[in-house]
Amino acid sequence: QVHLVQSGAEMQKPGSSVKVSCQASGGTFHNFAFHWVRQAPAHGLEWLGGIIPLFGTTTYAPRLQGRVTITTDKSSTTAYLELNSLTVEDTAFYYCAYRARITRYYFESWGLGTLVTVSS
Amino acid sequence: QSALTQPRSVSGSPGQSVTISCTGSSSDVGSYRYVSWYQHHPDKAPKLIVYDVSKRPSGVPDRFSGSKSGNTASLTISGLQSEDEADYYCCSFAGSYTYVFGTGTKVTV
Repeated sequence: QVHLVQSGAEMQKPGSSVKVSCQASGGTFHNFAFHWVRQAPAHGLEWLGGIIPLFGTTTYAPRLQGRVTITTDKSSTTAYLELNSLTVEDTAFYYCAYRARITRYYFESWGLGTLVTVSS
Repeated sequence: QSALTQPRSVSGSPGQSVTISCTGSSSDVGSYRYVSWYQHHPDKAPKLIVYDVSKRPSGVPDRFSGSKSGNTASLTISGLQSEDEADYYCCSFAGSYTYVFGTGTKVTV
């Protein structure tokens, strides 16, 4: 099973940006996808967006469009989530998730999460 | 793109069965057989327990079963065990390569 290791906790001020990483190992990385999901305190899971490294295509949740960018490195085994214009409402655990095939519409592996705290 | 609606909490005694509903719309749950369910224990990564409405990944006990009718999907946990106490989320493909999660249900055993 694919193992996903995420970067450490971040503390940012309102109005700034944050970039979180997710490194994958233990699988074959060709026709797959990375996704990002977050959970704010006392809230449920929220899908943020995804990327298919093979095609370089990205999709984002409509309400975050324009503030979120998902990329991968050249090896396509590390994904990044960048979120701009942070507000206190962006305080959350951010999880990366992996789909082994783009024809599979579910998230097979998950990272342990990265806590992003937005506070002045 | 609104979150799918789940009951806030359900509870049952060990050995009993509980069912969690997940209500969406004709834009998501009603249009695709791509509903998945995730178990989330505090401080752990979410875990896939059902995919494509009713399929179970290898290693997931057959106590977990999924179904769908119209715009509503359901997860049933039979023979409740203490380790089943967790938060459960449904998720549906919503077209245009987007996904939507449910509001989450806390299962108490």
